[in-house]
Amino acid sequence: DTGVSQDPRHKITKRGQNVTFRCDPISEHNRLYWYRQTLGQGPEFLTYFQNEAQLEKSRLLSDRFSAERPKGSFSTLEIQRTEQGDSAMYLCASSLVAGGARNEQFFGPGTRLTVL
Amino acid sequence: AQKVTQAQTEISVVEKEDVTLDCVYETRDTTYYLFWYKQPPSGELVFLIRRNSFDEQNEISGRYSWNFQKSTSSFNFTITASQVVDSAVYFCALRKEKLVFGKGTKLTVNP
Repeated sequence: DTGVSQDPRHKITKRGQNVTFRCDPISEHNRLYWYRQTLGQGPEFLTYFQNEAQLEKSRLLSDRFSAERPKGSFSTLEIQRTEQGDSAMYLCASSLVAGGARNEQFFGPGTRLTVL
Repeated sequence: AQKVTQAQTEISVVEKEDVTLDCVYETRDTTYYLFWYKQPPSGELVFLIRRNSFDEQNEISGRYSWNFQKSTSSFNFTITASQVVDSAVYFCALRKEKLVFGKGTKLTVNP
């Protein structure tokens, strides 16, 4: 399978716990994006990386959220001290940016987080 | 600020009907990209089409067609002869660097 993969697919946690999600992009893609989707809404941008550099963070990304892409390949998104409002689908996408051309983003299946 | 509006929250049609999903966008950028994605019940977003702001040609792909009108800031999506498998939530999105999505239109195609 050469698509974007995310792990886990589902996560149930208790309020106050920390959680970490992983995203593996399409292998040759240098950009990696994180989005959050709540019920009945479109995905909302959280942050993105070009290789290992985090280039932009949304105001939605509070200081309880941290994302890394240490080797420019896979990425992790950690949420500390989870709150019920963090319950959502967390989507990862990747794309190839080369020579000024920006190609479409391909999405993974998402990680559905439920905070009890 | 960039914004995408999909005014139709839900649409229900009978199989074989044609259906058009509306998308209106706002941006101050002169160069941008517009997208449509499909999200079936399984949840994964499936890329359908990309259109850049300099290309106003309409596009047809099988039963799908897209009408991009810069003058009205619209990028509408038509499914001809709809099928039950078309049932999904469809998102229109605008991109400079990151994607800005509309709230989506839930399409139900009944047999």
